[in-house]
Order: sequence, then structure tokens, then C-alpha cells
Amino acid sequence: GAGVSQSPRYKVAKRGQDVALRCDPISGHVSLFWYQQALGQGPEFLTYFQNEAQLDKSGLPSDRFFAERPEGSVSTLKIQRTQQEDSAVYLCASSLASDGYTFGSGTRLTVV
Amino acid sequence: GENVEQHPSTLSVQEGDSAVIKCTYSDSASNYFPWYKQELGKRPQLIIDIRSNVGEKKDQRIAVTLNKTAKHFSLHITETQPEDSAVYFCAASKASGSRLTFGEGTQLTVNP
Repeated sequence: GAGVSQSPRYKVAKRGQDVALRCDPISGHVSLFWYQQALGQGPEFLTYFQNEAQLDKSGLPSDRFFAERPEGSVSTLKIQRTQQEDSAVYLCASSLASDGYTFGSGTRLTVV
Repeated sequence: GENVEQHPSTLSVQEGDSAVIKCTYSDSASNYFPWYKQELGKRPQLIIDIRSNVGEKKDQRIAVTLNKTAKHFSLHITETQPEDSAVYFCAASKASGSRLTFGEGTQLTVNP
């Protein structure tokens, strides 16, 4: 596609509910990143894939967070047993190896 | 790990004036420094970037300077326009296309 596509655009979850956020990167982009952006702050790194391999997951805040990219294209970020502090915008970005990122529009998660 | 500090956190200028935003970084191995513009509710968009083998880069009204010795880099916007109003983020990484560490952002307001 022409850009990075994320869905849903907005998600409201009850505390304790599991959620799944989807990212469709630009076709051919081997690198895919997930970031978490709290209100009024800069994006913070969560995890990184190169093709289907998850090369860095050091930014995932707890074992409730899990990401996958099984076929090296679409990626899903899953959050189990959501808590209020998980409320944020989750940004996906993709890139070719030597270029800058293109970000998606993000998923705004609100946990109530 | 890398730490990026950005200031000021808010900046208000009159239309036509210049605006300067400054960032410092801690990891001397960082060598890629992009700047992103984020309008309210929208995705971060890359506006300019610089690599460590270059001291300055210009693109029309926008310029970025880098001082590797002092570990700081700056964004300069000349002849500001109301549409430049947004949050600007600096970032640093060890290579383009790799994990970014972002600053906290600067809310720029250009008053007509």
C-alpha cells in the first residue's frame, strides 16, 4: 500500500480485557517497529522486527505485551489483561534498511 | 542506553520570525538524527534528517545542524508560518532504519 495502515484507529477496552492491534506496513519494507506514545510525550520504543524475526523486544513494558509478524508483513501487537496505564497511542512504523521511518496513524487505546 | 533531551518544551513565535529547537544526546555511537513534526491527532512525519558525516543540512525554510563533539543538534525554521504550528520531536539512533530514541517534544505555536 501507499502508507502504513493501522487498525483499529480507536479502541476502548475494559480493564482486564485483551486487545489486538494491527499494523500493515508499506509493501517491501523489511523493518517494522512498534512505539508507545503517552499523551504529551515522545514515542517510546517497544519492539522491532526484521522480516519475521523479532530482533529486539527490550522495550515491551511487561509480559502482558506480545508482538508477532509471522509472515514478515502484517504485524499484531497484543496486550493481555489491559490496565489503565496501557492507555496510549500505539504507533507502528516501517522502513527500508537505510531509509527513515514512515509512521502509521496509530491506534489510540483507552482502558476504562 | 541512549538518552535524548529536548528544549524548549514550548515555543511561541510571531509569523515570519525564526524558531530554534535544541536537542542533546548521550550515546556517542548515535549517528542518525531525524526530526519529526506531529500535528494534533496525526502521525509523526519526517521533516528532515542528518547523518553524522554532515554538519548541516538545509531544505527550504528548514535546517538542521549537528555538533558531534558536543553531542547536540538543532532544528532551525526560518520565516515561520501558522501552518508550522505543531509538536516537533528530535530523535537519535545508531543508523537510519533502526531503533529511535525520541526527545520529549516541543510545542511550537506560530502566531499570525
